[in-house]
Amino acid sequence: AAGVIQSPRHLIKEKRETATLKCYPIPRHDTVYWYQQGPGQDPQFLISFYEKMQSDKGSIPDRFSAQQFSDYHSELNMSSLELGDSALYFCASTFPSGMSSGNTIYFGEGSWLTVV
Amino acid sequence: AQTVTQSQPEMSVQEAETVTLSCTYDTSESNYYLFWYKQPPSRQMILVIRQEAYKQQNATENRFSVNFQKAAKSFSLKISDSQLGDTAMYFCAFMNPPTSGSRLTFGEGTQLTVNP
Repeated sequence: AAGVIQSPRHLIKEKRETATLKCYPIPRHDTVYWYQQGPGQDPQFLISFYEKMQSDKGSIPDRFSAQQFSDYHSELNMSSLELGDSALYFCASTFPSGMSSGNTIYFGEGSWLTVV
Repeated sequence: AQTVTQSQPEMSVQEAETVTLSCTYDTSESNYYLFWYKQPPSRQMILVIRQEAYKQQNATENRFSVNFQKAAKSFSLKISDSQLGDTAMYFCAFMNPPTSGSRLTFGEGTQLTVNP
């Protein structure tokens, strides 16, 4: 079965640079989430999109922005990178309730960002 | 805001034995979803089991089962016949009533080690 696809899987950037992470949800999934997981921490919710509109916002820095495109893929843009942004970034997707396995969020394998 | 608490940072179990991981949560909602996710050393986030709050029957998935106590706001995970491959960080997670883009809130995680 198709899973959530994230790219790139690994990324190394210098401080103050910009990075873009991409996420391709499972086919027919219309909701995308972004999470950030620092070393030894639980995943922290950043932002979510439903039908290409922002649906919820968590602890996302102002330096970060995201959007969901017409084909439902999403991109997380991170600017003025700081050392503390080094983390594993997960994208996850789901589809509306009412289906047999609705409201279950499936995660991609994550994108490792290292800021040096 | 909903909170999820896992009071056991680390646990260990012998292969083939049974272990129970604890999770409590706080919410004022009556309809919600609870999950257990497994994160092995690869850091992939894998869904283990899912429980709808409106269902009284405890969810089971092969060797994994939950004890859902809605009044006590408790959601423990029992792993039977533990296997070496069960070694991972286990996260308990809560999701609000099913509206578009409902976020997943994680507990701090329990590191489970299965010993041979």
